[in-house]
Amino acid sequence: EVQLVESGGALVQPGGSLRLSCAASGFTFSDHYMDWVRQAPGKGLEWVGRTRNKANSYTTEYAASVKGRFTISRDDSKNSLYLQMNSLKSEDTAVYFCVRVTLTNYYFDYWGQGTLVTVPS
Amino acid sequence: DIQLTQSPSFLSASVGDRVTITCRASQGISSYLAWSQQKPGKAPKLLIYSASTLQSGVPSRFSGSGSGTQFTLTISSLQPEDFATYFCHQRDSYPITFGQGTRLEIK
Repeated sequence: EVQLVESGGALVQPGGSLRLSCAASGFTFSDHYMDWVRQAPGKGLEWVGRTRNKANSYTTEYAASVKGRFTISRDDSKNSLYLQMNSLKSEDTAVYFCVRVTLTNYYFDYWGQGTLVTVPS
Repeated sequence: DIQLTQSPSFLSASVGDRVTITCRASQGISSYLAWSQQKPGKAPKLLIYSASTLQSGVPSRFSGSGSGTQFTLTISSLQPEDFATYFCHQRDSYPITFGQGTRLEIK
C-alpha cells in the first residue's frame, strides 16, 4: 500500500525557516517524481514544486511564489522527500501535501494527509 | 500561467442523480487534465487522468471528457460516498495549476 506521511509542520514567525519531511512507503520511491502542493485555510490547491528522479538528475521546478525561498530535495536511500522553507511569510500559511507523480503521464496519484504550517501576520 | 475555472463552485444533488462538472482552461492544454476527489480531512484521490482515462479502482460511474480548453467530469448515478469536493489540475505546462474546486453536497 502506498503511504506518504508528512511531518514537520509548526508555528513559525515571519522570516523564519522550517523543514518539512515526507516518508514514503509501499512503492519504489526512487523511480518517481515527487511534488509538494499546499492549501491555505479555506482556499484552493497551489502547486509548490517538484523534484524529478535520479534518471532526470534530480532537477527541480518551483512555483514563482516560492522560488528562491523554498528548496525541494530527496533522499532515495531513506525514501524521503523534503521541503526546506526559508524567509517564511504569512501567505505561506497552509497545509502542505507530499504528492507522488505517476511514472507515465505525470499526474498526481497519491497524496499524503498533509502537515500544517502557520506563519502569523 | 494556465488558469483553470471550474463550474459550478457548489452543487447540490441527490443520490441517484447524474451530475456534470466543467473545467475550462485559459489556453489549450491538449488532454493533459486530471480530476481528483477530496473529502474533509482526507488525502485527495485521483479519479480521471489524461482527460478521460479512469484511474485503476475508480468506479465506472465516473467519466471524463474533453480536450483543448473544455473538460467535463460526469458522475452517472450519485452514491452517498460521492459527496465531496472535486478539482481538476493540468500538467500541460509549469506551473501546474488547479481548478478552484466544486463542492458537491447532498440535497
